[in-house]
Amino acid sequence: EAGVVQSPRYKIIEKKQPVAFWCNPISGHNTLYWYRQNLGQGPELLIRYENEEAVDDSQLPKDRFSAERLKGVDSTLKIQPAELGDSAVYLCASSSGGDYGYTFGSGTRLTVV
Amino acid sequence: KNEVEQSPQNLTAQEGEFITINCSYSVGISALHWLQQHPGGGIVSLFMLSSGKKKHGRLIATINIQEKHSSLHITASHPRDSAVYICAVRSGNNDMRFGAGTRLTVKP
Repeated sequence: EAGVVQSPRYKIIEKKQPVAFWCNPISGHNTLYWYRQNLGQGPELLIRYENEEAVDDSQLPKDRFSAERLKGVDSTLKIQPAELGDSAVYLCASSSGGDYGYTFGSGTRLTVV
Repeated sequence: KNEVEQSPQNLTAQEGEFITINCSYSVGISALHWLQQHPGGGIVSLFMLSSGKKKHGRLIATINIQEKHSSLHITASHPRDSAVYICAVRSGNNDMRFGAGTRLTVKP
């Protein structure tokens, strides 16, 4: 089992540039989460998918952030244009729901300069 | 006030010491998770609790639903236990809320 796979692991971009992150969840996990984690803080939910439907995107800054999960499997998270304050680790997690735990990816560390 | 509060924020211990990290929450939950995050690494799920106590190796997690409190204990701590430990609570709709984490450093 490969676990939750995220890419890239690191990304450095200039402000105002676009950036995209990719997540491949564990096979069969219907629920997929994108989190943002700032230094010294816990993860904050950006968006949650149940299959291909975004069921909670209330914390997603929709003016610059977008996400999709076509076919209910892989997901991409995009920022356009990036701002300095977007520098953080972006984590993807998946779950099969019920009483099962979550599995997190290794995250993408974004640095906006 | 955060819905999930952890204490202490930072903890330094000597190898072999018994360690306790506390988590209090203010919302109704269906489960509580303890997570471990190493520097530069991803997050690993240690425990998922809905009642009582669980043990895995040197790690013990307890939860008191009435008091809305959970503790993570590490017995015979080791430098490789150094990490950030995060408490997270899950509500019935699969929503997760995270604590800010406890940074543990175990010195040899």
